[in-house]
Amino acid sequence: EAAVTQSPRNKVTVTGGNVTLSCRQTNSHNYMYWYRQDTGHGLRLIHYSYGAGNLQIGDVPDGYKATRTTQEDFFLLLELASPSQTSLYFCASSDTTNTGQLYFGEGSKLTVL
Amino acid sequence: LAKTTQPPSMEAYEGQEVNVSCSHTNIATSEYIYWYRQVPHQGPQFIIQGYKDYVVNEVASLFISADRKLSTLSLPWVSLRDAAVYYCIVTGYMGYKLTFGTGTSLLVDP
Repeated sequence: EAAVTQSPRNKVTVTGGNVTLSCRQTNSHNYMYWYRQDTGHGLRLIHYSYGAGNLQIGDVPDGYKATRTTQEDFFLLLELASPSQTSLYFCASSDTTNTGQLYFGEGSKLTVL
Repeated sequence: LAKTTQPPSMEAYEGQEVNVSCSHTNIATSEYIYWYRQVPHQGPQFIIQGYKDYVVNEVASLFISADRKLSTLSLPWVSLRDAAVYYCIVTGYMGYKLTFGTGTSLLVDP
């Protein structure tokens, strides 16, 4: 069974705070993704990567940075968090041979006060 | 990427068969159809994928119309655990920007 692990699972910060969400996958997948989920919007793609050192911009990238340090690890960085970034964040991975089949983590709930 | 249209919600009783439809009128010849489901407090989970005709696995079956503009996810004998949001996604086999809409929320009554 493919495994994607996110941390922290819950995070509370204040406006202007610095937040890093971590994601590790043990699937040996090349592709990794960060999504956010908000009521009424479904899941929206923030950034994705197809390998260590690579970063691609998703559909809602403003206010977010990301870094893929290894094949296993993908980080999402909020350097000046705002209340509009309060959301449920999901990390996912997929194999190069079938990138439509994503494996998701359990999610990280971020609250920006 | 082809846009998809699903009913926002459905309701069924335990033990019934549920069919969730998805319209993708602009689907390209290179695109596949994927279905996911998401239960509260968890990430989406892949259910099934297909290109044409009929696909079945241990969880569900997927029927795709001859012109590929409509697909139907069939869940046999639903239980309370099948209550979830079901997403239909259309993307290329090597497409990496999956777009999740708001899906179909399935309510299952005992």
